[in-house]
Amino acid sequence: DTGVSQNPRHKITKRGQNVTFRCDPISEHNRLYWYRQTLGQGPEFLTYFQNEAQLEKSRLLSDRFSAERPKGSFSTLEIQRTEQGDSAMYLCASSLKETQYFGPGTRLLVL
Amino acid sequence: ILNVEQSPQSLHVQEGDSTNFTCSFPSSNFYALHWYRWETAKSPEALFVMTLNGDEKKKGRISATLNTKEGYSYLYIKGSQPEDSATYLCAFWYAGKSTFGDGTTLTVKP
Repeated sequence: DTGVSQNPRHKITKRGQNVTFRCDPISEHNRLYWYRQTLGQGPEFLTYFQNEAQLEKSRLLSDRFSAERPKGSFSTLEIQRTEQGDSAMYLCASSLKETQYFGPGTRLLVL
Repeated sequence: ILNVEQSPQSLHVQEGDSTNFTCSFPSSNFYALHWYRWETAKSPEALFVMTLNGDEKKKGRISATLNTKEGYSYLYIKGSQPEDSATYLCAFWYAGKSTFGDGTTLTVKP
């Protein structure tokens, strides 16, 4: 257990529905990252926060994806109008410097 | 777009064998390279953060080397054990974020 938690651990949804995932980082970590991982590939960067500021967002992230970290603590990742191609593992990580501590991930299946 | 490549994609060895994997990354604008171990149903776990050309790091039976001039890092496992079975990921750290390779999946047979 790294100290980073994610909820839910699994989510099955129908195409077109909205889903929201939550990440609780290690409390003193100011940086928080979201990644997406599909089978056979490494984690793919989505976005990252320093405290409450969203500093970068991948061009791979469509307008259907939004992330927030309102008080610089926990973060949420929302996917609107889900598509089957959104099925993946969504990983959250937090850090003080370069070493990232990952949560267990939320596995999303869009039917 | 940063290109981080790992080889081989997968590896099957017998218990007791020693093995190594390769991570190649852009040699310009280097800041840091990370190695992670990702066991099934668990979170990726940081193994090493490597920053200096010629760096060698060791953790038990696992060690890593870094060559920033030619853009590669090797991860070595000495005397592999079944509990070493996992996917080993490298990540190139630049401009505040990581670009991951696709990993090397190691299976150690008893």
